[in-house]
Amino acid sequence: NAGVTQTPKFQVLKTGQSMTLQCAQDMNHNSMYWYRQDPGMGLRLIYYSASEGTTDKGEVPNGYNVSRLNKREFSLRLESAAPSQTSVYFCASSGQGMNTEAFFGQGTRLTVV
Amino acid sequence: DAKTTQPPSMDCAEGRAANLPCNHSTISGNEYVYWYRQIHSQGPQYIIHGLKNNETNEMASLIITEDRKSSTLILPHATLRDTAVYYCIVRDRGSTLGRLYFGRGTQLTVWP
Repeated sequence: NAGVTQTPKFQVLKTGQSMTLQCAQDMNHNSMYWYRQDPGMGLRLIYYSASEGTTDKGEVPNGYNVSRLNKREFSLRLESAAPSQTSVYFCASSGQGMNTEAFFGQGTRLTVV
Repeated sequence: DAKTTQPPSMDCAEGRAANLPCNHSTISGNEYVYWYRQIHSQGPQYIIHGLKNNETNEMASLIITEDRKSSTLILPHATLRDTAVYYCIVRDRGSTLGRLYFGRGTQLTVWP
């Protein structure tokens, strides 16, 4: 069981470059999320998607765009990377309703120089 | 939105019970309390959740006070592998999407 798979695991970008972080889940979950985690901090929600075709902003959406390509895949795009976006990015998914748990990927460690 | 308060750090001897407290005084009636942990910057791992009754699974026990304003996660026999950051979370009452708001959590260190 793969669960939630993120690619790439590591990435170094130059300021101004663009890139897309990929996330896929194989648990048939409706909801998917993107979080970022800065050193010594908890996770902060960037964007989420309640179902295929819908996306909404979280706490820190500026500088990011997302696409819910299908039920399995939810991508995060940085159009013009900035050093402040250096972080570890986690994708997660969960089923419907309040009584469900979320499953997380192993993270993408992004450095913007 | 309901938020949680946790001590920044705790430690525990290996083999002893670890009791991690969490305050969530603004929790609403239909919000669940969830616990996750994060080991060395890996992706967070689900531990347990509950609404108002105490819960137990193979990893831990969750004790929720009668007024639901606080809870305690209990690891009955802590091991070195339980060293991690533990997050207490309540589900977002603003939507049905169940977004998870993480704070800084509690760094639990289990020592030999």
